Amino acid sequence: SQTIHQWPATLVQPVGSPLSLECTVEGTSNPNLYWYRQAAGRGLQLLFYSVGIGQISSEVPQNLSASRPQDRQFILSSKKLLLSDSGFYLCAWGASLNVADTQYFGPGTRLTVL
Amino acid sequence: KQEVTQIPAALSVPEGENLVLNCSFTDSAIYNLQWFRQDPGKGLTSLLLIQSSQREQTSGRLNASLDKSSGRSTLYIAASQPGDSATYLCATLSGYSTLTFGKGTMLLVSP
Repeated sequence: SQTIHQWPATLVQPVGSPLSLECTVEGTSNPNLYWYRQAAGRGLQLLFYSVGIGQISSEVPQNLSASRPQDRQFILSSKKLLLSDSGFYLCAWGASLNVADTQYFGPGTRLTVL
Repeated sequence: KQEVTQIPAALSVPEGENLVLNCSFTDSAIYNLQWFRQDPGKGLTSLLLIQSSQREQTSGRLNASLDKSSGRSTLYIAASQPGDSATYLCATLSGYSTLTFGKGTMLLVSP
């Protein structure tokens, strides 16, 4: 069966510090991978998605970046965090772009920027 | 740009009641509509997926309908239980595998 992992589970960082969140998927190959952010009072927002190694598409301009160094690894980074980067970050994977397929979400990382 | 709205934002009901959660979307050019459940501090769990050519989907006590032309979907929960307490999110799929989410309905079912 497929599983998706995210770490760390929680993170408290000062403004201006760097960020690295990691997501890995097991039990499948060549998944589509997604990073979402859920900020207080706002809906879940798609940040990045990837359909293959080294292929990253950005949905929202921001000071965050994403990378996919391996088939089942997706990393979210920032060089300097802002207060507005606080939120709940969710990684998801999908088997294909078939409209009958859903996305499967990881447990999330709670990021607080102080 | 797709916008998804969910009403009500919060709902509190006694155990055993049947209830309806509403979702509306502005762009009817969707591939599918999905309902997810999110427990506090947790990830999302997919409940039901309705393809654009379908009218409804059922899973146990859950039934979701889709009226694409009017931009509406409803999630019907029969005989609610305390374990149903969670936030329910509606999302549409359009574009290049892009899910657009509503802000959710927070449901509390009291014993």
